[in-house]
Amino acid sequence: DAGITQSPRYKITETGRQVTLMCHQTWSHSYMFWYRQDLGHGLRLIYYSAAADITDKGEVPDGYVVSRSKTENFPLTLESATRSQTSVYFCASRTSGGATGELFFGEGSRLTVL
Amino acid sequence: DAKTTQPNSMESNEEEPVHLPCNHSTISGTDYIHWYRQLPSQGPEYVIHGLTSNVNNRMASLAIAEDRKSSTLILHRATLRDAAVYYCILDTGRRALTFGSGTRLQVQP
Repeated sequence: DAGITQSPRYKITETGRQVTLMCHQTWSHSYMFWYRQDLGHGLRLIYYSAAADITDKGEVPDGYVVSRSKTENFPLTLESATRSQTSVYFCASRTSGGATGELFFGEGSRLTVL
Repeated sequence: DAKTTQPNSMESNEEEPVHLPCNHSTISGTDYIHWYRQLPSQGPEYVIHGLTSNVNNRMASLAIAEDRKSSTLILHRATLRDAAVYYCILDTGRRALTFGSGTRLQVQP
């Protein structure tokens, strides 16, 4: 199906484990983003990517690693999960970096770190 | 980054118009005004955006003040499905959008 999909939708893990959240988009959008949303709060940018092999830090990048070997995929890895990383993670994509492009969001990945 | 200010919450009755205000007094000349909304347990979705002129689409209307220091998102007839958090965001063209706390809209039947 066309669109932006995230997996897994739900994940429970333990402190110290590595977790990878996947994001896949079918539009060939140049820009992709990872946000986190803590309970009752707005979204905060973790990392973004302007194209394959180009990534940059957002507001809260510590503890996260991203890669973008293919335009359509933008995985987010928590190298050693901590309880403070319990959150809902949203992936998004955009056609361009300009100020007129619409941002498309995935349905979110709810991560619980015990 | 230019900042926006929105009320924390608003209430409306079903089938009545809703005016959601946003202040952005430090907006620069090239910043676009974007609105997104987030329904419960879903990712944000695009609503509308504009630069200087008022804009209309199937979801809503955007009224932009002449000095661009404020804007209003207008839902012409609120439905229960419009209950969501609405985010007013200034797009500076730096690729990523910064989301604030938004306005939580409650729609009463």
